[in-house]
Amino acid sequence: RKEVEQDPGPFNVPEGATVAFNCTYSNSASQSFFWYRQDCRKEPKLLMSVYSSGNEDGRFTAQLNRASQYISLLIRDSKLSDSATYLCVVSPSGSARQLTFGSGTQLTVLP
Amino acid sequence: ETGVTQSPTHLIKTRGQQVTLRCSSQSGHNTVSWYQQALGQGPQFIFQYYREEENGRGNFPPRFSGLQFPNYSSELNVNALELDDSALYLCASSPQGGNTGELFFGEGSRLTVL
Repeated sequence: RKEVEQDPGPFNVPEGATVAFNCTYSNSASQSFFWYRQDCRKEPKLLMSVYSSGNEDGRFTAQLNRASQYISLLIRDSKLSDSATYLCVVSPSGSARQLTFGSGTQLTVLP
Repeated sequence: ETGVTQSPTHLIKTRGQQVTLRCSSQSGHNTVSWYQQALGQGPQFIFQYYREEENGRGNFPPRFSGLQFPNYSSELNVNALELDDSALYLCASSPQGGNTGELFFGEGSRLTVL
């Protein structure tokens, strides 16, 4: 079983749609959680950290359920520029010492 | 502010050869991590360097080795290349200790092993 599992997609959605990505992790000792975004043939970039209370950044909302070891990302009012691969990431400590990445979920927003 | 830079961007090697990849960290960052990203997969942690010492290692064999220099730049060396080593190698830097959890990645070095 992979340490971080994601639905690989692809998700093809029209502009303006709401799309949700899910992720599960196996290491209950994981302390920090993130979503990274990776554009085609580019490097990953931090999209947002995920906090236990849930957090929002504009059109993006992240949720964490520690009991179920489940992380989600919701994107509202999708834009063409949101097309990318979204990587669910966990860390066993409060630092970036060793990030464990999921395989990513590919999103294409269609005009 | 200069971001993370890696060289070379692309290279082709044959099985059994050795390769050295180089990385310059972002200005002000003293922690460097290396990740391997195979096609269609997420990045996998190889190791991290902090103050010129290895500060954590993933599940990679000893033929993957590294260095960090006093200016915080870093090298990844891979000996006895295998076909499965073909991947994008990403270097990432972070501020002291990487406590924020944010890594700043370079664009990577794409290695093909024939």
